[in-house]
Amino acid sequence: EDKVVQSPLSLVVHEGDTVTLNCSYEVTNFRSLLWYKQEKKAPTFLFMLTSSGIEKKSGRLSSILDKKELFSILNITATQTGDSAIYLCAEVRDDMRFGAGTRLTVKP
Amino acid sequence: ETGVTQSPTHLIKTRGQQVTLRCSSQSGHNTVSWYQQALGQGPQFIFQYYREEENGRGNFPPRFSGLQFPNYSSELNVNALELDDSALYLCASSLAKEGSGTQYFGPGTRLLVL
Repeated sequence: EDKVVQSPLSLVVHEGDTVTLNCSYEVTNFRSLLWYKQEKKAPTFLFMLTSSGIEKKSGRLSSILDKKELFSILNITATQTGDSAIYLCAEVRDDMRFGAGTRLTVKP
Repeated sequence: ETGVTQSPTHLIKTRGQQVTLRCSSQSGHNTVSWYQQALGQGPQFIFQYYREEENGRGNFPPRFSGLQFPNYSSELNVNALELDDSALYLCASSLAKEGSGTQYFGPGTRLLVL
């Protein structure tokens, strides 16, 4: 079965550090790739990526998609304790397939 | 806040029982998807409803069933509960039938099966 694989599974950094989260997918009827932040329960939408090489940016967060190599990265610069969460990526085809997530912990 | 609501927030059931979870989608959204998220895992797609009809289904047994109503709210029913059904159940609403649109998640229902 096609999979969405995220790495690392967990990450502990200190405030001010920059982190890069990875997401690889196996394309079948690929439509888009989504990134979500999950703090307690409801995942909240961050980015939707459909085209290769075009960076999406929102404040300290940015993301880019490589459709040739079938992966995406999510960058967070100058991390803050409020960035602590599970970050999920999902490949959108006929349905949405999520990776297991990366648990990010930002220490003061 | 996404405007997607779910009830109840928490639920405890015993093996063999049946449960109904409810979801009200964001205003204007006609598509609702349900996911099961076990501890330490990403959400797993259960099924999707578009305009009151099932529009796709993940790898879940028939004892997982659903409904969508004319106002686009939805129910997830699980019969003959098993211990492994303990999880966070998320619903997400969107505008696009095919799932290419962004989905907005509700806060989830945490189900514990004893």
